[in-house]
Amino acid sequence: QKEVEQNSGPLSVPEGAIASLNCTYSDRGSQSFFWYRQYSGKSPELIMSIYSNGDKEDGRFTAQLNKASQYVSLLIRDSQPSDSATYLCAVNQLKAAGNKLTFGGGTRVLVKP
Amino acid sequence: GAVVSQHPSWVICKSGTSVKIECRSLDFQATTMFWYRQFPKQSLMLMATSNEGSKATYEQGVEKDKFLINHASLTLSTLTVTSAHPEDSSFYICSARSEAQGLHPYNEQFFGPGTRLTVL
Repeated sequence: QKEVEQNSGPLSVPEGAIASLNCTYSDRGSQSFFWYRQYSGKSPELIMSIYSNGDKEDGRFTAQLNKASQYVSLLIRDSQPSDSATYLCAVNQLKAAGNKLTFGGGTRVLVKP
Repeated sequence: GAVVSQHPSWVICKSGTSVKIECRSLDFQATTMFWYRQFPKQSLMLMATSNEGSKATYEQGVEKDKFLINHASLTLSTLTVTSAHPEDSSFYICSARSEAQGLHPYNEQFFGPGTRLTVL
């Protein structure tokens, strides 16, 4: 079992719709969770951080965390073609020295006009 | 805030030569920096954790004598790919972790723009 799992996609979403991305993790000791956006040929860009159970909203993005289910998700509202990218889920595992991040394989999102 | 730069953005070199990549945190201090490698259509692979003033910690399978890391100051880490070969061609990305806990309470890592290495 991978430590951080994501559906690779592609997730095809019509423009203006909601894109829903899911991520599960195996280490119950994980404390911080991140969503990065990566455009093709570019480096990852941090878009959301979440620490506590529940929802956290920032603009069109909402991150949801459920530690009991070991599940973190990202919702993108009013999806735009510019949201087309690969979204990486990352987990900060306390047990790992140096606060290393473990990344999922990424979900590719395609927003169609 | 939280800007990380890398230099060069791309480099082409001959097999057998060494290449140095610089990673700088521009507006914050970073005791810890990380070096990743990413092959096409794959996710990020952590190579090593760079600690200011001490030796780097390498991930399993990463040759420390081939990938030399120096973290000389709180804003600069360098990765040197020694005796590069075509299989080392990849996208190398560094990240820095902000030590300003009040500003970044989640130990966020901020990534540099990456360096694309092509070894002929």
